[in-house]
Amino acid sequence: SQTIHQWPATLVQPVGSPLSLECTVEGTSNPNLYWYRQAAGRGLQLLFYSVGIGQISSEVPQNLSASRPQDRQFILSSKKLLLSDSGFYLCAWSQDSEAFFGQGTRLTVV
Amino acid sequence: RKEVEQDPGPFNVPEGATVAFNCTYSNSASQSFFWYRQDCRKEPKLLMSVYSSGNEDGRFTAQLNRASQYISLLIRDSKLSDSATYLCVVIPSGGYQKVTFGTGTKLQVIP
Repeated sequence: SQTIHQWPATLVQPVGSPLSLECTVEGTSNPNLYWYRQAAGRGLQLLFYSVGIGQISSEVPQNLSASRPQDRQFILSSKKLLLSDSGFYLCAWSQDSEAFFGQGTRLTVV
Repeated sequence: RKEVEQDPGPFNVPEGATVAFNCTYSNSASQSFFWYRQDCRKEPKLLMSVYSSGNEDGRFTAQLNRASQYISLLIRDSKLSDSATYLCVVIPSGGYQKVTFGTGTKLQVIP
């Protein structure tokens, strides 16, 4: 069966520090991968999606970047975090007619 | 026009009430539709698929209207435990099948 792992679950980082969130998928190959952010009390905002290794589409301009170095690995990064980067970050994958979310990372930038 | 649109709510309803949410989509080639539920501070999880003929799962009924390009979720006899955010998901046919998630509708069931 397919599973999705996302870590860490919780992260507190100072302003200006770098960020790296990782998401891996098991049990499938060539999935579509997504990074979403959800600010407190707000809806899901699509940040990036990827249809294959090295193929990244950015949905909104921001302080973040994404990379897909392997088929089932999706990484969200930032060189310098801003206070406004705080939120709940969710990785998701889809294939055919299925879509699943990781458990999320709650990022607080202080 | 956004690919998928939902009323963010919140919908505040008393226990036992019936409540319905709609979700409109812009891509007429969309093929697969789902409703997800997200509890506070948790990841969204699949609630139910939406079939062309409509489908029911206990107190939940999902329907698809292709002509008007919307899906709906009806919850009967609302329970306190139904309080959550409900997201619609649309998957187009063919191509890269980029999944589009709605931003969600918040439901609060009041005792």
